[in-house]
Amino acid sequence: GENVEQHPSTLSVQEGDSAVIKCTYSDSASNYFPWYKQELGKGPQLIIDIRSNVGEKKDQRIAVTLNKTAKHFSLHITETQPEDSAVYFCAAVTYTGGFKTIFGAGTRLFVKA
Amino acid sequence: DVKVTQSSRYLVKRTGEKVFLECVQDMDHENMFWYRQDPGLGLRLIYFSYDVKMKEKGDIPEGYSVSREKKERFSLILESASTNQTSMYLCASTKGKAPPESYGYTFGSGTRLTVV
Repeated sequence: GENVEQHPSTLSVQEGDSAVIKCTYSDSASNYFPWYKQELGKGPQLIIDIRSNVGEKKDQRIAVTLNKTAKHFSLHITETQPEDSAVYFCAAVTYTGGFKTIFGAGTRLFVKA
Repeated sequence: DVKVTQSSRYLVKRTGEKVFLECVQDMDHENMFWYRQDPGLGLRLIYFSYDVKMKEKGDIPEGYSVSREKKERFSLILESASTNQTSMYLCASTKGKAPPESYGYTFGSGTRLTVV
């Protein structure tokens, strides 16, 4: 069946460094790719997303890139801060009448002060 | 601020009890979902609903049922709670209409259920 692979499962960076999380999806019909941030004790929160007809999107310190041919998409966080520490989930959404969301397994990001 | 509100943050129930988890959204969203989240297993879809009184099974519906009598409310029911249903339960909603950005989830804060 369809799946989304997410790497790495854990990422530790020094404050101020960049962090990159990568996902690969299998369903070529997927057309929307959101990223979620889950802080301790809270539900996931959508932080950025990208449509399949766009290659890159940026929002302040976070950006997402999409390579449709390779079925890869990535989250980039620059100038990391301790408050960026959280679990990040990628997802691939396919709309065919109804819609289906497949989540990656998550990446736990630690930002060391 | 738009919200998905789950009625309880923490619940402790006994094996065999009937358990109700309530979720309310104030965004007039069409679609609502129940997920459970377990370490190492990620987010798994239990049930979802595209409309009032409508429900669809997700990937792990066994042992659960749902009710959606009003657009804003989606309830998850554990008919007879078991210890393997100890988990974090997350409710979510989406607008559900084109364009694709409508499919981004708004999640509640979660209910951590312990069945003893």
